[in-house]
Amino acid sequence: DAKTTQPPSMDCAEGRAANLPCNHSTISGNEYVYWYRQIHSQGPQYIIHGLKNNETNEMASLIITEDRKSSTLILPHATLRDTAVYYCNTGNQFYFGTGTSLTVIP
Amino acid sequence: NAGVMQNPRHLVRRRGQEARLRCSPMKGHSHVYWYRQLPEEGLKFMVYLQKENIIDESGMPKERFSAEFPKEGPSILRIQQVVRGDSAAYFCASAGQATYEQYFGPGTRLTVT
Repeated sequence: DAKTTQPPSMDCAEGRAANLPCNHSTISGNEYVYWYRQIHSQGPQYIIHGLKNNETNEMASLIITEDRKSSTLILPHATLRDTAVYYCNTGNQFYFGTGTSLTVIP
Repeated sequence: NAGVMQNPRHLVRRRGQEARLRCSPMKGHSHVYWYRQLPEEGLKFMVYLQKENIIDESGMPKERFSAEFPKEGPSILRIQQVVRGDSAAYFCASAGQATYEQYFGPGTRLTVT
C-alpha cells in the first residue's frame, strides 16, 4: 500500500546539499514522518522523524510542510558515503516504498 | 549498548528443509519487526511482534512461515519446506515503543539451492 511517493533517483554533487522530497498526502493528524536509508545491501538505518515541526539532528534536517502533505529530507553537505536508497515512511512505519536512490557524485 | 543482532548472517538450505532465523533486539526494546528483501527489490513488511504476542502479521505468507518472540530469548522467524523463491535477505528491526524509530539488524541472507 503506497502511502508515500518519492522520485526514483537523484544525483547530488559531493559537498552540496541533497534535498530529497516525499509526498504523503493521506497522512493522518497524529502520524509521524520517518526517514531511513539503506546503503547497498546493509540493514536500513534510521535517520530522523518528525510530526509537525522541522527537525534537525547530526545526520540531517527534516522540513515538513504546514499542511503535512509533504516533507523534504536535507543532507546539508553530501559525501560519497551518503550514496544510498532513502525511504520516507509514515504512520506505523511498516510500508517501505521504492524510495529514492541518491547518488553522490565526486 | 549492542545493536540489533541477527544470526546466522548467511544460511544455505536445500529445497524442502527448514530455515530458522534469529533476531535479538536492542536492550530494552520489546517491539520486533521482520522484513524480507528480494534481490533488487524494496523492503517488504512481514510481521510485527511484541513479547509473546503477534501484533500484525498482515505481510506474512499464509503457509510455511511463522514467527515468535518469546518471553525469554530472541525472536525467531521460521520458514518450513523452503523453496527457491524464499531466497532473500531477511531483516529484523526493534523499537522501544510502537511509534518510535526502528533499529535494524545486519540481516540474514537465505539461499535455497
